[in-house]
Amino acid sequence: RKEVEQDPGPFNVPEGATVAFNCTYSNSASQSFFWYRQDCRKEPKLLMSVYSSGNEDGRFTAQLNRASQYISLLIRDSKLSDSATYLCVVNNQGGKLIFGQGTELSVKP
Amino acid sequence: SAVISQKPSRDICQRGTSLTIQCQVDSQVTMMFWYRQQPGQSLTLIATANQGSEATYESGFVIDKFPISRPNLTFSTLTVSNMSPEDSSIYLCSVRQGADGGAFFGQGTRLTVV
Repeated sequence: RKEVEQDPGPFNVPEGATVAFNCTYSNSASQSFFWYRQDCRKEPKLLMSVYSSGNEDGRFTAQLNRASQYISLLIRDSKLSDSATYLCVVNNQGGKLIFGQGTELSVKP
Repeated sequence: SAVISQKPSRDICQRGTSLTIQCQVDSQVTMMFWYRQQPGQSLTLIATANQGSEATYESGFVIDKFPISRPNLTFSTLTVSNMSPEDSSIYLCSVRQGADGGAFFGQGTRLTVV
């Protein structure tokens, strides 16, 4: 079993749609969690951290369920510029970040 | 966030040669890492670059193939040695300020081995 698993994607949605990405992790001792965005042929960029109480940043909402070892990212009112690959990232012991395989999102006009 | 400069941005190399990638950060950082991203794949951690001591390698990566230097808190190099076409990949330098914080990445080095 992979340490971090994401929805396989790709997700093709129209502008204005709401889309949700799911992610599970296998190590119950994982300490912190993140969502990254990676545009084609670019480096990954931190989108947001994921906190136990859930957190929101504009159109983006991240949630964490430690009991189920599950993380989600919700994007509301999708924009064309949201098209990218979204990476679920888990911080294991020792400070190592483990990356999921990524979920590709394509927002169409 | 730290500003990370990585070079070269891309290179095409002959098999059997070696390439050294440099990573320069504009501030002192406690943690520096090297990742590989193969075509169509996610990121795989190669090693943690330790300042003043030998790097800590992940399973499947060895020092003879990927020697790493970190002479100070702002600079590191990764060498890809005795290259083969299977080494064609994007190599990324990453820094973190603390054990619980997110990571920031250099622009990556796109390596093609022919």
